[in-house]
Amino acid sequence: GQQLNQSPQSMFIQEGEDVSMNCTSSSIFNTWLWYKQDPGEGPVLLIALYKAGELTSNGRLTAQFGITRKDSFLNISASIPSDVGIYFCAGSQGAQKLVFGQGTRLTINP
Amino acid sequence: KAGVTQTPRYLIKTRGQQVTLSCSPISGHRSVSWYQQTPGQGLQFLFEYFSETQRNKGNFPGRFSGRQFSNSRSEMNVSTLELGDSALYLCASSDDWRPGTQYFGPGTRLLVL
Repeated sequence: GQQLNQSPQSMFIQEGEDVSMNCTSSSIFNTWLWYKQDPGEGPVLLIALYKAGELTSNGRLTAQFGITRKDSFLNISASIPSDVGIYFCAGSQGAQKLVFGQGTRLTINP
Repeated sequence: KAGVTQTPRYLIKTRGQQVTLSCSPISGHRSVSWYQQTPGQGLQFLFEYFSETQRNKGNFPGRFSGRQFSNSRSEMNVSTLELGDSALYLCASSDDWRPGTQYFGPGTRLLVL
């Protein structure tokens, strides 16, 4: 099935560092979302973006909806141990049908 | 508000059997979607129900089916289980005001032996 291109696939960083990940697609999306998933749990919605060019923050997290509507990025500032997990981007083309990226696994060295 | 709940959390079945998974959406949410998550394929959309009607469908065989009740609770059924059906099955609900903004449950981990 269709998937978004998410990179990097994994990141190993030191506590306190900033993190950046992005998602691209060959198709246009009307909504971009970022989720975090911990082992054995369902994805938790972090940020939702609804307009091209939109920049939205949620605490230390900032995400942007690309102008072309074909990409989005997520930044995490000053990482802490509880940021460890798998981050997924997802896009919607107007229906309740999400297309997901492959995920970015974030590991933090204390 | 309580979140999305899914039952059971874990399930072990053998090939050829069938299974029914249940999902209760966030109160007031009328859209319920189902996803399959596997290490190889990632998160794949199965189908979406709204007001007891299937509104969107992914690319899965007919062995995968679902339904939604008048209280918005939903069930999905997989018949004639195959080894490859082993996965985490996730349910997500939405209030439909913002298409695509979905809230996920904890999932049901299905193991087919």
